[in-house]
Amino acid sequence: DTGVSQDPRHKITKRGQNVTFRCDPISEHNRLYWYRQTLGQGPEFLTYFQNEAQLEKSRLLSDRFSAERPKGSFSTLEIQRTEQGDSAMYLCASSYLRTASSGNTIYFGEGSWLTVV
Amino acid sequence: DAKTTQPNSMESNEEEPVHLPCNHSTISGTDYIHWYRQLPSQGPEYVIHGLTSNVNNRMASLAIAEDRKSSTLILHRATLRDAAVYYCIPARSGAGSYQLTFGKGTKLSVIP
Repeated sequence: DTGVSQDPRHKITKRGQNVTFRCDPISEHNRLYWYRQTLGQGPEFLTYFQNEAQLEKSRLLSDRFSAERPKGSFSTLEIQRTEQGDSAMYLCASSYLRTASSGNTIYFGEGSWLTVV
Repeated sequence: DAKTTQPNSMESNEEEPVHLPCNHSTISGTDYIHWYRQLPSQGPEYVIHGLTSNVNNRMASLAIAEDRKSSTLILHRATLRDAAVYYCIPARSGAGSYQLTFGKGTKLSVIP
């Protein structure tokens, strides 16, 4: 039973460098989400995909951030020109949308920790 | 999004029941009430969700007030592994946007 998988789990990078995180959702899940969490706070929504289409982006997702989900399977989140304020845990989650009236359970990965020095 | 109010922290003795309250007085009639928990250094984990009726699963029970303005997550016998931050999240379901809006949650400590 494989859950949501994220890679790398930890990344230390110098300010100004680009970083990319990968997420492999649970097989056959058609929705994929990215969240960010800083110390002492709850996770904050960044963006989500339904299949390969990116349907919503938070205002938190500045133009330095880009997310893709080619072919509707795995997803990548790239941060360009990293800043110290980008230091956080980046969480990926997935779900399967069944019907318009069903409760939708979202399953999270263990997160990718980013430290910008 | 509906605003939620949860205690910042709670303590429980091991093997005793725990009742975690949540107020969500502005909840929409179609919002499900979700509970997630987050263990240290891990991603959030789904616990339970419900709409109107009380719900039970292997992890917990969810008691929803008749007016749906509050709910209580019940852990029947707390274990050390239940020490986590518990989030109560009203969220719309269905074909539209389905983002979860996390607050600060309740940090549950379990005392051996």
